[in-house]
Amino acid sequence: NAGVTQTPKFQVLKTGQSMTLQCAQDMNHNSMYWYRQDPGMGLRLIYYSASEGTTDKGEVPNGYNVSRLNKREFSLRLESAAPSQTSVYFCASSESSDRGRYGYTFGSGTRLTVV
Amino acid sequence: AQSVTQLGSHVSVSEGALVLLRCNYSSSVPPYLFWYVQYPNQGLQLLLKYTSAATLVKGINGFEAEFKKSETSFHLTKPSAHMSDAAEYFCAVTRGGATNKLIFGTGTLLAVQP
Repeated sequence: NAGVTQTPKFQVLKTGQSMTLQCAQDMNHNSMYWYRQDPGMGLRLIYYSASEGTTDKGEVPNGYNVSRLNKREFSLRLESAAPSQTSVYFCASSESSDRGRYGYTFGSGTRLTVV
Repeated sequence: AQSVTQLGSHVSVSEGALVLLRCNYSSSVPPYLFWYVQYPNQGLQLLLKYTSAATLVKGINGFEAEFKKSETSFHLTKPSAHMSDAAEYFCAVTRGGATNKLIFGTGTLLAVQP
């Protein structure tokens, strides 16, 4: 099925460990995004990639890095996990043309717990 | 800068009653506005969107929203709630452009009582 695929779906890390969250889309979208979702705070943008080869910081980039590996894939890395990074992480993609009228397609999320 | 405010983090209605979820936006340019729904343990699904065409927008599952520029509002309604509508609903705004970033509200959790 066409869409956005995220792996893993669940992960438990110890403080200080590192990990990479993977995201791939098969809709030929130019733009990709990483959000985190926390209770009462909605979704906050961590990083985004407007097109292949470019990445930019969002609202809450501290403690994260990203790589736009190719047009399909956009990964999020936690170099040294902290309990404050316990969250649900969503990847999304969209067409970058026509002023954003198409909205985003979301993956099903990665539930990360840092202990 | 754009932003959205969702009034009421929790809304409870009876099955068959009107659903009204409120969203007010702030944008210095004509916005695009969206409503997304999130069912438990799932990702977000697009319900409907306003992109400067008709001000009354119809979406999936019987939901609709009306863009009111004078009130800077984009409230979501459904005439008759169903148990399956229980979910969290997010309003979002973008001003478009090359970066096309969506800014989300904090969400409204809808409970439907039998």
